[in-house]
Amino acid sequence: GENVEQHPSTLSVQEGDSAVIKCTYSDSASNYFPWYKQELGKRPQLIIDIRSNVGEKKDQRIAVTLNKTAKHFSLHITETQPEDSAVYFCAATGTASKLTFGTGTRLQVTL
Amino acid sequence: NAGVTQTPKFQVLKTGQSMTLQCAQDMNHEYMSWYRQDPGMGLRLIHYSVGAGITDQGEVPNGYNVSRSTTEDFPLRLLSAAPSQTSVYFCASSYIAGRGPDTQYFGPGTRLTVL
Repeated sequence: GENVEQHPSTLSVQEGDSAVIKCTYSDSASNYFPWYKQELGKRPQLIIDIRSNVGEKKDQRIAVTLNKTAKHFSLHITETQPEDSAVYFCAATGTASKLTFGTGTRLQVTL
Repeated sequence: NAGVTQTPKFQVLKTGQSMTLQCAQDMNHEYMSWYRQDPGMGLRLIHYSVGAGITDQGEVPNGYNVSRSTTEDFPLRLLSAAPSQTSVYFCASSYIAGRGPDTQYFGPGTRLTVL
């Protein structure tokens, strides 16, 4: 089945700096790659997603890039703000109709 | 729209007890799934369903049963609770895009403790 690895597990950046979270996947047939943000005690919520026919997607300060050849995708957050502090999860859909999640990255934005 | 709802929000069980976690959605989503979330392990898929009458196992199905008699409801049954099932459980639903789930909408979660 699909295996998704996510790095780093924790990330601390200063307000205004950029943050990058990277994920790799194992199933070359995976075609959907969402990113979720989870604040403490809350449910995960989608922040951005990308499909395998697109290499990059942007939404204001958030962007995701996908390299199908290398089987990795990344989340980029620019001009980080304290409210960006949360746990971020990547995920991938493999050949079975399943969504496999990475183990999460705890992002802390310090003032 | 209420979205995805889950009950109860909190539950404490004794080892060996059984119970059902309820999940319902009002978005007419074909795809529904159950995840458990443990510290440092992300979200792990327990069971999922691509439509009424169709269910399949995820990554960690042992000790859990599901059924999908309607599009709206997807209950998760713990057959004989064990301390290893202490976790936060999330139900999620989505449309199906291509051969897999589209954007997943999560319920608020159920925090389960097994003593």
